[in-house]
Amino acid sequence: GAGVSQTPSNKVTEKGKYVELRCDPISGHTALYWYRQSLGQGPEFLIYFQGTGAADDSGLPNDRFFAVRPEGSVSTLKIQRTERGDSAVYLCASSFGQYNEQFFGPGTRLTVL
Amino acid sequence: TQLLEQSPQFLSIQEGENLTVYCNSSSVFSSLQWYRQEPGEGPVLLVTVVTGGEVKKLKRLTFQFGDARKDSSLHITAAQPGDTGLYLCAGGGDGGSQGNLIFGKGTKLSVKP
Repeated sequence: GAGVSQTPSNKVTEKGKYVELRCDPISGHTALYWYRQSLGQGPEFLIYFQGTGAADDSGLPNDRFFAVRPEGSVSTLKIQRTERGDSAVYLCASSFGQYNEQFFGPGTRLTVL
Repeated sequence: TQLLEQSPQFLSIQEGENLTVYCNSSSVFSSLQWYRQEPGEGPVLLVTVVTGGEVKKLKRLTFQFGDARKDSSLHITAAQPGDTGLYLCAGGGDGGSQGNLIFGKGTKLSVKP
């Protein structure tokens, strides 16, 4: 399949631990987005990459959250010192450009105990 | 804070009934998108509306963008069990800067056979 893939599909961790979530976008898509979806809510924007650079990181809730996309393809969302409130589904999306249709991956369900 | 309010939050109907879902905001959006999300999956784009007053039809689904580009509606005719899912509206541009999207909380639709 040529869709957006995310790994792992599920991640259970303990409060205070560090986690990394990975996103493989559709080949050729220059724009990549991270969203967070809490139970009963719509996706909430976190960060957007155009190529290798973060074009808009205004949605990152605090400095425990960081994301990289070093080669303009795969992206990793990193969360330090996880808290129970970080539990959510983390969605990744990619598009040809910032105003084109965004294709979403299946998400990573993060549970912080 | 720019918000998209969706109503109703939950909707349970019988097969064959019609329904309308609303998406309202105090902000102007350059585009409004409707997505459908199934459990364990990412949102899938149904339609994008960009012109005030625009109406788009997708089989039994009719989408309308308000004249002022602040609100939208989704009407489903003769609902079927396969329509069951979470319907999300999302605004882009103006009220949602650059490429990131602002999502509503969603309407959870259940269509009983």
